[in-house]
Amino acid sequence: AQSVSQHNHHVILSEAASLELGCNYSYGGTVNLFWYVQYPGQHLQLLLKYFSGDPLVKGIKGFEAEFIKSKFSFNLRKPSVQWSDTAEYFCAVYNTNAGKSTFGDGTTLTVKP
Amino acid sequence: NAGVMQNPRHLVRRRGQEARLRCSPMKGHSHVYWYRQLPEEGLKFMVYLQKENIIDESGMPKERFSAEFPKEGPSILRIQQVVRGDSAAYFCASSPDRVNTEAFFGQGTRLTVV
Repeated sequence: AQSVSQHNHHVILSEAASLELGCNYSYGGTVNLFWYVQYPGQHLQLLLKYFSGDPLVKGIKGFEAEFIKSKFSFNLRKPSVQWSDTAEYFCAVYNTNAGKSTFGDGTTLTVKP
Repeated sequence: NAGVMQNPRHLVRRRGQEARLRCSPMKGHSHVYWYRQLPEEGLKFMVYLQKENIIDESGMPKERFSAEFPKEGPSILRIQQVVRGDSAAYFCASSPDRVNTEAFFGQGTRLTVV
């Protein structure tokens, strides 16, 4: 069965610190990869996605992620976080054969001003 | 083009009552997904529907839960005889097709069973 693992449950950073959130998945077939963000009290929004091509993808708000196929990883990065980045971040893997997504358990990011 | 609309945003039910959650997908989207987010947990897939068809319900609890996506109208997630453990946020997402597309999420319905 397909699974997605987000290693960090809760991350606390100071403003301007660099961020890296880990995401590993288990499925060996063709996948599309996503990072979503959920700000407090709001719905899920797409940060970035990877379908094919350049494994380094850039998203909104200065976020980027790198797909490393050999490691089954899709880690999210941001060089310098802001207080407004405080949110919950979900990694998702879309199995194109099954037609459904599997989400990680989420990482809560708290940025201290 | 309005986004995915879910209603109600908040729903309170007493144990044993029925809960009906509605999801109107984005215009032009014929694929709907329901997810449940339990407190302190991530999103868990429940069911994937196309118009008038259930494609994958492998994440649905075997009893009390059902979903439909009729030809006309919103998708409905129905929970009969709710229990306290059903308290969660239920998210609906829609996409235009099943391949190479992102899913657009609604704001969710927060169900509280008292």
